[in-house]
Amino acid sequence: NAGVTQTPKFQVLKTGQSMTLQCAQDMNHNSMYWYRQDPGMGLRLIYYSASEGTTDKGEVPNGYNVSRLNKREFSLRLESAAPSQTSVYFCASSARGENSPLHFGNGTRLTVT
Amino acid sequence: AQTVTQSQPEMSVQEAETVTLSCTYDTSESDYYLFWYKQPPSRQMILVIRQEAYKQQNATENRFSVNFQKAAKSFSLKISDSQLGDAAMYFCAYRRDSGNTPLVFGKGTRLSVIA
Repeated sequence: NAGVTQTPKFQVLKTGQSMTLQCAQDMNHNSMYWYRQDPGMGLRLIYYSASEGTTDKGEVPNGYNVSRLNKREFSLRLESAAPSQTSVYFCASSARGENSPLHFGNGTRLTVT
Repeated sequence: AQTVTQSQPEMSVQEAETVTLSCTYDTSESDYYLFWYKQPPSRQMILVIRQEAYKQQNATENRFSVNFQKAAKSFSLKISDSQLGDAAMYFCAYRRDSGNTPLVFGKGTRLSVIA
């Protein structure tokens, strides 16, 4: 059971370059999320998708776009990377229903130089 | 907006001893859900324990238990018989309802376990 799979695990970009972080879950979950983790800041929500076909902004959406490609996949795109986007990015998913926890991928460490 | 505060950036505990990590939150909701996640050096996010606000009984999972004080908006995590493998970042998180809404996380507490 793979759970939530994120690719790549590591990435180095130059300022201005673009890239897409991929995320897929095989648990038939309705909701998917993108968070970023920075030292001393905890996890902050970038975007989420409550169900297939919907996306909503989180706390720190600027500089990012998302696509809920289908129920399994939720991608995060950086159109023009900036050093402030250096971070660890986590994708997560959750089932519908009471108190369903988030299941996380293993994260992507992104460095923008 | 809801906020989650973890007032202890770092803590340490002797192996086999007990430690309590603090968490407070701010909400005007009456029904909500609370979680503790563990993040070891591997970076993996692992669910430790969860609590429904409508349940008065504190949740327990083996050596992990919570002290949920709804009126005080406090949700502390107690780790008993601490083990070296408990060393990690611990995040407290809040969700305002049972639907498909995101979790709001605190900034975390780094726990060290001393042999």
